[in-house]
Amino acid sequence: AQSVTQLDSQVPVFEEAPVELRCNYSSSVSVYLFWYVQYPNQGLQLLLKYLSGSTLVKGINGFEAEFNKSQTSFHLRKPSVHISDTAEYFCAVSDFDSGNTPLVFGKGTRLSVIA
Amino acid sequence: GAGVSQSPRYKVAKRGQDVALRCDPISGHVSLFWYQQALGQGPEFLTYFQNEAQLDKSGLPSDRFFAERPEGSVSTLKIQRTQQEDSAVYLCASSFANRGGYTFGSGTRLTVV
Repeated sequence: AQSVTQLDSQVPVFEEAPVELRCNYSSSVSVYLFWYVQYPNQGLQLLLKYLSGSTLVKGINGFEAEFNKSQTSFHLRKPSVHISDTAEYFCAVSDFDSGNTPLVFGKGTRLSVIA
Repeated sequence: GAGVSQSPRYKVAKRGQDVALRCDPISGHVSLFWYQQALGQGPEFLTYFQNEAQLDKSGLPSDRFFAERPEGSVSTLKIQRTQQEDSAVYLCASSFANRGGYTFGSGTRLTVV
């Protein structure tokens, strides 16, 4: 069974500062990895995904993430955050070998950008 | 449609009442998923459909929860005899091929009083 650990439940950061949101996963098989963002009272929006190929993945809104297989990590980064990045961020994993397994989500990290 | 549509957006139910939550996936999306998101938590898987076939319902928390997708498009999640612990946001997601990530709806916030 897969699991996802988001190491920080809350991350406060000043506007225009860099940020890293940490994600570690556990799985006995190869995986696909995802980051989603959730704004208040809204559903989840896909930020980026790793399926295969380059381990550095670029997503929307200036975010990027790096897949590290040896450390089973998929940390999300942004070099300079904006107030509008304040939201809940979820890391998720799904099974590579089976096409029909659901996403398993972490508990989320609340990013608060301070002016 | 352009996105995944869920209705109602908000639902208040008295304990013991039955509720039905609707999901309209993106046209042509084969896979449809239901998730439950408790306050301050990540979404947790409930059930999965491929077309009209319910392939996985291992996440349904009790036999009071029932989902259907009779024509392989619109899906309904039904909760019978609602309890306070059922209060959560219920998210629906659909995808074409299940390997590219899903598109989520805005969810239905269910409050059982």
